[in-house]
Amino acid sequence: NAGVTQTPKFQVLKTGQSMTLQCAQDMNHEYMSWYRQDPGMGLRLIHYSVGAGITDQGEVPNGYNVSRSTTEDFPLRLLSAAPSQTSVYFCASSYSAMSGDLTDTQYFGPGTRLTVL
Amino acid sequence: GESVGLHLPTLSVQEGDNSIINCAYSNSASDYFIWYKQESGKGPQFIIDIRSNMDKRQGQRVTVLLNKTVKHLSLQIAATQPGDSAVYFCAEKFGGGSNYKLTFGKGTLLTVNP
Repeated sequence: NAGVTQTPKFQVLKTGQSMTLQCAQDMNHEYMSWYRQDPGMGLRLIHYSVGAGITDQGEVPNGYNVSRSTTEDFPLRLLSAAPSQTSVYFCASSYSAMSGDLTDTQYFGPGTRLTVL
Repeated sequence: GESVGLHLPTLSVQEGDNSIINCAYSNSASDYFIWYKQESGKGPQFIIDIRSNMDKRQGQRVTVLLNKTVKHLSLQIAATQPGDSAVYFCAEKFGGGSNYKLTFGKGTLLTVNP
């Protein structure tokens, strides 16, 4: 298994440009999520999905859209990039906790480093 | 180094010593806790977890202690090695069913001196 993959690894955008950060997993995980990581802030949840066709907002969703048309893919879209969105973005996936088993480890991708000028 | 290390608490230890990294969590209803290791330029990597009905769990060279009374979590690394140098952060999980969320701490930078 490749695990969680993210593309691109690095990206530079100008203010106002749009782009999509790709995330894919091959572990048949139901739960997928996007985080951003900023210095001194830790990881903050942007959006998450508990299965294909279902998405919900996390802690910092403004300026980002997501969709989940398949179990494997969970792209993150920046509609109009702003300098405040300069960050490292991580995608993560895990088995659903539907069974009530709380040991639901999240597996993280390698990250996308985004700079908005 | 990566900018993720800026403004973080730091712990510097000698190779072979034991390391203790601490974490205070916020939600008394959290029922599951995880420690992650993040090396420079990489995504977080799972180390060890513990459920709220336990107060101690051991892995290979690592031990996690949970004190629910004071909402405190610690990670102990035995015989610390240079490869252990990384940012370590804890995460707390709360919420039922599949709509759970993880809240992450800001992390501690561990530096192992040879």
